[in-house]
Amino acid sequence: DAKTTQPNSMESNEEEPVHLPCNHSTISGTDYIHWYRQLPSQGPEYVIHGLTSNVNNRMASLAIAEDRKSSTLILHRATLRDAAVYYCILRDRSGGSNYKLTFGKGTLLTVNP
Amino acid sequence: KAGVTQTPRYLIKTRGQQVTLSCSPISGHRSVSWYQQTPGQGLQFLFEYFSETQRNKGNFPGRFSGRQFSNSRSEMNVSTLELGDSALYLCASSLTYGAGGDSPLHFGNGTRLTVT
Repeated sequence: DAKTTQPNSMESNEEEPVHLPCNHSTISGTDYIHWYRQLPSQGPEYVIHGLTSNVNNRMASLAIAEDRKSSTLILHRATLRDAAVYYCILRDRSGGSNYKLTFGKGTLLTVNP
Repeated sequence: KAGVTQTPRYLIKTRGQQVTLSCSPISGHRSVSWYQQTPGQGLQFLFEYFSETQRNKGNFPGRFSGRQFSNSRSEMNVSTLELGDSALYLCASSLTYGAGGDSPLHFGNGTRLTVT
């Protein structure tokens, strides 16, 4: 099953762009790349997802490499409220007949004022 | 549009007791998944329901069970509670089952269960 690799932590300054990388070299052709983030004492929050083309929404942009083996979540102007753990996820089919999302450790993003 | 609602927010139980947690999905969402989050193990998948049927199950003992009602609301039950069951239990809803496709998960803020 496809797995993802993310840095344990990253640091950014407020109002600067943030590029959060994710490697997924074993991704299959039909797997979407999902990003979620989790603030302390809250459930994970959906950020963005994509398959092949770059995607934009009001929260972030997702840049997907042409070979789909890596992707980058882009926060265009980081704010203090963006400080969270960011998870890059592919679906996991191990042990069941249907897919589920398996969350790894994610990247802890610190935003400095 | 209301988000995913989980009740209660906090719960304290004693070893050996049982507990029932409730989840109301986003209107129109028919799939509900449950996750357990602990500091040591992170987020772990428990099970997923769609149209009142369990579609997938994680690697948890049979003490953990769930069900889904015709209005898509879901409940999770843990019997014979153990200290290690202390965790944040999260519910997520989506339009279709088999998460990870083109239908993202939307999580509630969880129920914090403490077993003493």
